[in-house]
Amino acid sequence: QVQLVQSGAEVKKPGSSVKVSCKASGGTFSSYAFSWVRQAPGQGLEWMGRITPMSGIADYAQKFQGRVTIFADTSTTTAYMEVSSLRSEDTAVYYCARGFGGSLAFWFWGQGTLVTVSS
Amino acid sequence: EIVLTQSPGTLSLSPGERATLSCRASQSVSNSHLAWYQQKPGQAPRLLIYGASSRDTGIPDRFSGSGSGTDFTLTISRLEPEDFAVYYCQQYGNLPFTFGPGTTVDIK
Repeated sequence: QVQLVQSGAEVKKPGSSVKVSCKASGGTFSSYAFSWVRQAPGQGLEWMGRITPMSGIADYAQKFQGRVTIFADTSTTTAYMEVSSLRSEDTAVYYCARGFGGSLAFWFWGQGTLVTVSS
Repeated sequence: EIVLTQSPGTLSLSPGERATLSCRASQSVSNSHLAWYQQKPGQAPRLLIYGASSRDTGIPDRFSGSGSGTDFTLTISRLEPEDFAVYYCQQYGNLPFTFGPGTTVDIK
């Protein structure tokens, strides 16, 4: 059974950076892309980007290009998402998610990591 | 980017009633790569339907998905108390993947 366990909640100052991790267990780590999805308080889901561990290639939503970095460490079966130049609007729960069985739909989700940006 | 629109924004129904949720795409979703997720407060989303009409393992058969191209539907045949939640559609056929704004199904 695949499990995605994310790092704990963070409180950050505006202008700083945050890195959230997503540790995968079960299944084959490199076989599926890991996406990151964020959800601002009371809002909907927003796809940020994904990393394909086998190739190391990351794809980003245009909104996040240049300020978000997504990467993976195959030796520790962990995916990461880093956001720089944080602003208050980045306050959100960040989820990692991945597919299964050849499907790119998000079958498995991490528990979410709350990032609060506040001065 | 494919923009997804969901309607209605809120659906107020009673347990036992039928719920019909709509998801419309700004352009055709390739290979019917359309998914539906359920989200309850404080929880991560849960996959219900993928490939427009295939149910995820363990999802009750009262949930069904249909549609192709630009128009998709999630139907809950008889609402159970645990079905009152927010439902999102998502297309994963073209990058960037996108989500609809969600439909809230609440108790009338």
